[in-house]
Amino acid sequence: SQKIEQNSEALNIQEGKTATLTCNYTNYSPAYLQWYRQDPGRGPVFLLLIRENEKEKRKERLKVTFDTTLKQSLFHITASQPADSATYLCALDLSGGYQKVTFGTGTKLQVIP
Amino acid sequence: NAGVTQTPKFQVLKTGQSMTLQCAQDMNHEYMSWYRQDPGMGLRLIHYSVGAGITDQGEVPNGYNVSRSTTEDFPLRLLSAAPSQTSVYFCASRVGLSTYEQYFGPGTRLTVT
Repeated sequence: SQKIEQNSEALNIQEGKTATLTCNYTNYSPAYLQWYRQDPGRGPVFLLLIRENEKEKRKERLKVTFDTTLKQSLFHITASQPADSATYLCALDLSGGYQKVTFGTGTKLQVIP
Repeated sequence: NAGVTQTPKFQVLKTGQSMTLQCAQDMNHEYMSWYRQDPGMGLRLIHYSVGAGITDQGEVPNGYNVSRSTTEDFPLRLLSAAPSQTSVYFCASRVGLSTYEQYFGPGTRLTVT
């Protein structure tokens, strides 16, 4: 069945290093893929969107890549800070459309000072 | 703008009771959706609406009803609560189908005993 896979294990990295999170999906090729940040007890907050015809997208210290052949997106945070500690979710419409967005289970990032 | 608001923040129900989770947005967004979030399961789409008077089912619609009589409001009704509906519920909105960034509410934590 169609699904999104994110590493369920928490990622611990040292402050200042680059954090890399992975999102893999199966079956259909989505028209776009999104990344969200979620802090404990709060709703997700949108960070970045990358379209199927884009290989890479940047926003400040964030970078997202999208490999439709591998069916994978990588999310990078450079020069990580303790304030970046949160759970990061990827989201896409597995049907290839625009109406039914599904989220991965998220990867918890802990940046250690 | 208040953004997306949800009430109540917390609710405890007994099995078989019914209730309505309220969601409102003041951004004039056409698209609204309801998700539930359970540990290890990610955010799962329950129902969504692409505009007033139009609703459709998501991934896990059973046991839930929705209606969209106005652009601003999108209530979620639990007809006969079951312990399996214990979860955190998030409402989200976005401008329309041609834009993808979703804005989430703060969530409602529901416990069914």
